[in-house]
Amino acid sequence: SAVISQKPSRDICQRGTSLTIQCQVDSQVTMMFWYRQQPGQSLTLIATANQGSEATYESGFVIDKFPISRPNLTFSTLTVSNMSPEDSSIYLCSVYTGGADEKLFFGSGTQLSVL
Amino acid sequence: KQEVTQIPAALSVPEGENLVLNCSFTDSAIYNLQWFRQDPGKGLTSLLLIQSSQREQTSGRLNASLDKSSGRSTLYIAASQPGDSATYLCAVHQNFVFGPGTRLSVLP
Repeated sequence: SAVISQKPSRDICQRGTSLTIQCQVDSQVTMMFWYRQQPGQSLTLIATANQGSEATYESGFVIDKFPISRPNLTFSTLTVSNMSPEDSSIYLCSVYTGGADEKLFFGSGTQLSVL
Repeated sequence: KQEVTQIPAALSVPEGENLVLNCSFTDSAIYNLQWFRQDPGKGLTSLLLIQSSQREQTSGRLNASLDKSSGRSTLYIAASQPGDSATYLCAVHQNFVFGPGTRLSVLP
């Protein structure tokens, strides 16, 4: 299993600013993901962040808007840049553990409101 | 590109009923499939993982089945309770895409 700590849990930000969300895992994992959950919607995958390589972004998401760092096997950050009210969402960090317990585990999420 | 759908989108049942939630996917080349529940304003709780070589998994009142050839998984909830009220999501371990979810309300 994996325990994920995500910070901040919530924030209220001004239009045009940037917010960096941190994700810390209690074990070494290769595959980490960042998701967005807009109000009343399901989860949309933003990018896959594997250590040692550039993040892979899904259609509709670009690195300039959502830069991701993955400096080691237990930590990642997602930055939401030049924010607008449309970026108001829950952002979730997730890891995929291998071996016999091949599951997705999630952090508790970051509730972002952009004014 | 893998697409995941879930039906029904919403379901309201009286307490005690048995119910089935459906998850469909377009590409059968998946590794595993995982069911989650999400309570309002909360994070995701993993319910069941079905590996690609398995056909079903059970945990308490929950039973999940997987038919890769038809691109379907079902989550069966027996003797539903008001505490089961939540949104249920399936995720395909291929490109880690989620379905849109089924919002379940169990009425006392």
